[in-house]
Amino acid sequence: EIMMTQSPATLSVSPGETATLSCRASQTVYSNLAWYQQKPGQAPRLLIYGASSRATGIPARFSGSGSGTEFTLTISSLQSEDFAVYYCQQYNKWPPYTFGQGTKLEI
Amino acid sequence: QVQLVESGGGLVKPGGSLRLSCAASGFSLSDYYMSWIRQTPGKGLEWISNISRGGKTISYADSVKGRVTISRDNARNSLYLQMNSLRVEDSAIYFCARDVSYSWFDPWGQGTRVTVSS
Repeated sequence: EIMMTQSPATLSVSPGETATLSCRASQTVYSNLAWYQQKPGQAPRLLIYGASSRATGIPARFSGSGSGTEFTLTISSLQSEDFAVYYCQQYNKWPPYTFGQGTKLEI
Repeated sequence: QVQLVESGGGLVKPGGSLRLSCAASGFSLSDYYMSWIRQTPGKGLEWISNISRGGKTISYADSVKGRVTISRDNARNSLYLQMNSLRVEDSAIYFCARDVSYSWFDPWGQGTRVTVSS
């Protein structure tokens, strides 16, 4: 099973600033990585797939990068609605698909 | 509008059973793999099962293998999860999600809460 580790657990950033979230895989997943955003009481929403491709309707301030075992989600010009929990997920080797434990982005 | 709506969660005693349902709208279920994923405060997001378009290929996480059965009815555009021999640690919010080309999940349903407690 591929383990996904996200850091930091909590990130405090001010609106208008840039947030950088990290995700590390225990073995290579190539570019087979997705990012999700989850707000309280809601389901996760797909942001990024293929490590760097934005999902439909996702603003350009969200960008993903990386390959192999190291990945980054960057959110620029943070807006109030961006404060949420973010998860990475690998789909290179399954079952099982595996998720990181999440990074909480707070003001 | 593509939408998934889960139902069937509730309170059940250890050893009991539940059947979760997921109704799809806005797309044809038969065109996609589908998955069940659960979420707990302690373990976070945990993928538990998926099923191929026609239902012939099924995978389970080790944590639920032998206790849950995933199925689908493409004519009804519905996905199901039969859960037996439930344990306290199965308590979670259960999401169904469209499995895009056996890769990422989009969209997810709003979830249904399962609580296993005596």
